[in-house]
Amino acid sequence: SAVISQKPSRDICQRGTSLTIQCQVDSQVTMMFWYRQQPGQSLTLIATANQGSEATYESGFVIDKFPISRPNLTFSTLTVSNLSPEDSSIYLCSALGRGRRATNEKLFFGSGTQLSVL
Amino acid sequence: DAKTTQPPSMDCAEGRAANLPCNHSTISGNEYVYWYRQIHSQGPQYIIHGLKNNETNEMASLIITEDRKSSTLILPHATLRDTAVYYCIVRSYTGTASKLTFGTGTRLQVTL
Repeated sequence: SAVISQKPSRDICQRGTSLTIQCQVDSQVTMMFWYRQQPGQSLTLIATANQGSEATYESGFVIDKFPISRPNLTFSTLTVSNLSPEDSSIYLCSALGRGRRATNEKLFFGSGTQLSVL
Repeated sequence: DAKTTQPPSMDCAEGRAANLPCNHSTISGNEYVYWYRQIHSQGPQYIIHGLKNNETNEMASLIITEDRKSSTLILPHATLRDTAVYYCIVRSYTGTASKLTFGTGTRLQVTL
């Protein structure tokens, strides 16, 4: 299994500023993703972080608001830009670890970043 | 990926088996059924997955109906620490379709 370290674990930010979240995986993984979980809600996929190229965003999420980097196989960052109170959520990094067969792929999650915007 | 339907909440007495149902009537032949759970304030945790045969591991058992349109996650002896939101997800292995899409899940409350 993969261990995912995510930081910061929580932050309180002012409106209009930006927050960058870092995600480090302890082993090489095939894919990395970023999810958002609004209060009391399920997880919503923001984007797939692609190594060395632009991330693939889901409907409703854009690069200007959620720029993502993935410079190598084990590290990614998500920036939430121009913060507003509606961005207050938990942001989760996840990584797809592959067993000996693709059918044994499992998605592992970091512990999340609790963001509160004032 | 096919959509799943789960009851919003369930209760279970500690020590009893917890049976969590999931409907995935539009599942296609190359889609697997995955189960995750999320304990409050933590990231989701992988539990089990399967294609068409029943599966068992140290955490749970997964029973998939013969037509694969529904499945049941079984926690054989629920404890208070099993209180969590349980997500049933179907996922394809074709091409780049490796992402997991979460539904609303079932909130399981284990009580004394």
